[in-house]
Amino acid sequence: DGGITQSPKYLFRKEGQNVTLSCEQNLNHDAMYWYRQDPGQGLRLIYYSQIVNDFQKGDIAEGYSVSREKKESFPLTVTSAQKNPTAFYLCASKDPRRGSGEAFFGQGTRLTVV
Amino acid sequence: QQQVKQSPQSLIVQKGGISIINCAYENTAFDYFPWYQQFPGKGPALLIAIRPDVSEKKEGRFTISFNKSAKQFSLHIMDSQPGDSATYFCAANAGGTSYGKLTFGQGTILTVHP
Repeated sequence: DGGITQSPKYLFRKEGQNVTLSCEQNLNHDAMYWYRQDPGQGLRLIYYSQIVNDFQKGDIAEGYSVSREKKESFPLTVTSAQKNPTAFYLCASKDPRRGSGEAFFGQGTRLTVV
Repeated sequence: QQQVKQSPQSLIVQKGGISIINCAYENTAFDYFPWYQQFPGKGPALLIAIRPDVSEKKEGRFTISFNKSAKQFSLHIMDSQPGDSATYFCAANAGGTSYGKLTFGQGTILTVHP
């Protein structure tokens, strides 16, 4: 089955630690995105990548970093510089060659700072 | 100008009733308006979408009404069912070099009572 796989489903981070959230897709999509979801705030874009080895900051990139070494993978690192990292993180992908089209989402990772 | 404003924040409807969620936008470059449905602990999934060259799109019990001049669009859920209870997000996509980035509304928590 084609889709997007995010792991882990739940992640706990201690203060001052960096953690990496995994996102893998087998949809052969060029574009991938990371969103953060907080109650009452919708989904906010953290980073996005159109092609391998290229990525751009979204609206709330501070305290986050990404890499795009493979088409299938777009991991997100939440660094210690992110002051309020507790949130639900969603990865998505789409085929930008289709122009405005459906974005497919993973099942999310819930990150909690302990 | 990139905002999409969604209302209401929460909505309670009786089974069989009509659920209506509204969104408004400012950016006239938006060219694709999807609605996503999200169940607790899951990623959003595309429900229905519309492009600005049509004023209405219907898929089963779900209808999008689009008013280009007012820069507003809405989701109507006819014969609402308890299984429709979820969070609904409107979104907008700007074409061109935006790489398929979606701007989301704040979300509406819909509860359908049996």
